[in-house]
Amino acid sequence: EAQVTQNPRYLITVTGKKLTVTCSQNMNHEYMSWYRQDPGLGLRQIYYSMNVEVTDKGDVPEGYKVSRKEKRNFPLILESPSPNQTSLYFCASSFLAGGWSTGELFFGEGSRLTVL
Amino acid sequence: KQEVTQIPAALSVPEGENLVLNCSFTDSAIYNLQWFRQDPGKGLTSLLLIQSSQREQTSGRLNASLDKSSGRSTLYIAASQPGDSATYLCAVRWGQGGKLIFGQGTELSVKP
Repeated sequence: EAQVTQNPRYLITVTGKKLTVTCSQNMNHEYMSWYRQDPGLGLRQIYYSMNVEVTDKGDVPEGYKVSRKEKRNFPLILESPSPNQTSLYFCASSFLAGGWSTGELFFGEGSRLTVL
Repeated sequence: KQEVTQIPAALSVPEGENLVLNCSFTDSAIYNLQWFRQDPGKGLTSLLLIQSSQREQTSGRLNASLDKSSGRSTLYIAASQPGDSATYLCAVRWGQGGKLIFGQGTELSVKP
């Protein structure tokens, strides 16, 4: 089954304790992206990647890191989490838009992170 | 600045009604626009994607239209059902990859 898988789905942690949220897709997509969703602010893009070893900042990258060492994986790293990073996080992937591809975006189920 | 706006923020309709959800965007040079559905506590499910060269797309009871010149897209839902209750989001892509900007969504409630 084609899917985007995020782990963990739920996490409660404390300020300053490094954590990684993993994202994996099995559709051979070039494009992967991370979003956070907050009440009243909607979905905002954190980082995106258009292929292996190619990453770029979205609208709210501060406090986050990403890496793209393999095509299927795009982990989100919080080196020193703070309470303002408490949010619902989504990973998404797609083929690059253009040519035969529409660039339709597929989302994971989300990871709810609480930083105390 | 590229922005995406969805109005209204919430909508309540009786079952069976036809309804229209709106999505407005600045900068008409979009690459594509995608409509999503989000159920509470869940991820986003893709409904329809319209390329910049297209005027509309249809899937079942859903029809999405695109008017780049006016910076608008609409999602038409025919014969609404309680199971259509969810938040509907539109997302606009400018360029083939890269940044994708979401509207804040319209929360739809269909009453039996």
